[in-house]
Amino acid sequence: GQQLNQSPQSMFIQEGEDVSMNCTSSSIFNTWLWYKQEPGEGPVLLIALYKAGELTSNGRLTAQFGITRKDSFLNISASIPSDVGIYFCAGQNPGAGSYQLTFGKGTKLSVIP
Amino acid sequence: GAVVSQHPSWVICKSGTSVKIECRSLDFQATTMFWYRQFPKQSLMLMATSNEGSKATYEQGVEKDKFLINHASLTLSTLTVTSAHPEDSSFYICSARVPTSMYEQFFGPGTRLTVL
Repeated sequence: GQQLNQSPQSMFIQEGEDVSMNCTSSSIFNTWLWYKQEPGEGPVLLIALYKAGELTSNGRLTAQFGITRKDSFLNISASIPSDVGIYFCAGQNPGAGSYQLTFGKGTKLSVIP
Repeated sequence: GAVVSQHPSWVICKSGTSVKIECRSLDFQATTMFWYRQFPKQSLMLMATSNEGSKATYEQGVEKDKFLINHASLTLSTLTVTSAHPEDSSFYICSARVPTSMYEQFFGPGTRLTVL
């Protein structure tokens, strides 16, 4: 089946620093989604990408859908303590009535005040 | 909008008992809901796709007789863990597909199940 490789697995950064994480896939996805999960909670949708090459921002977050449709990155600028959590990428190939998501293994972000 | 709730948020039960978890879309109708399982420090693993008015589609390796899914209305799907055992202890999360978007899914807050 499809697999997503997400890196890095974890990162410790100083408050105010920028953060970058990415996902690569062995196969093509038509949609990329980025979620954030905090302990004991469900994932919260941050950004959705629908077209190859698309660059989308949501506040301090910016994500891009790779041209090859096999990768995506998420950047967080000027990190703050509340950015702490686990960030998951997810790929989707809607078609034939299937809307299933394939998740990466997550990037755990720790922000040092 | 696009709020999904789950109940209960946590449950502790004895081995051999059955536990029902509810997933509700609060402000939209969801023809498709998904059930995931997440072990500590791991990613979400899709268990099954729940379609309103029809049988759920289970992922390979997920026992449909063990994890009963019912999607009786456009706002409610339930997951029943039957004859629960300690290895069923996990974080169960549902999501619902927003009908106005082909792609976006919104997740519930999850249910922590502990089987003693």
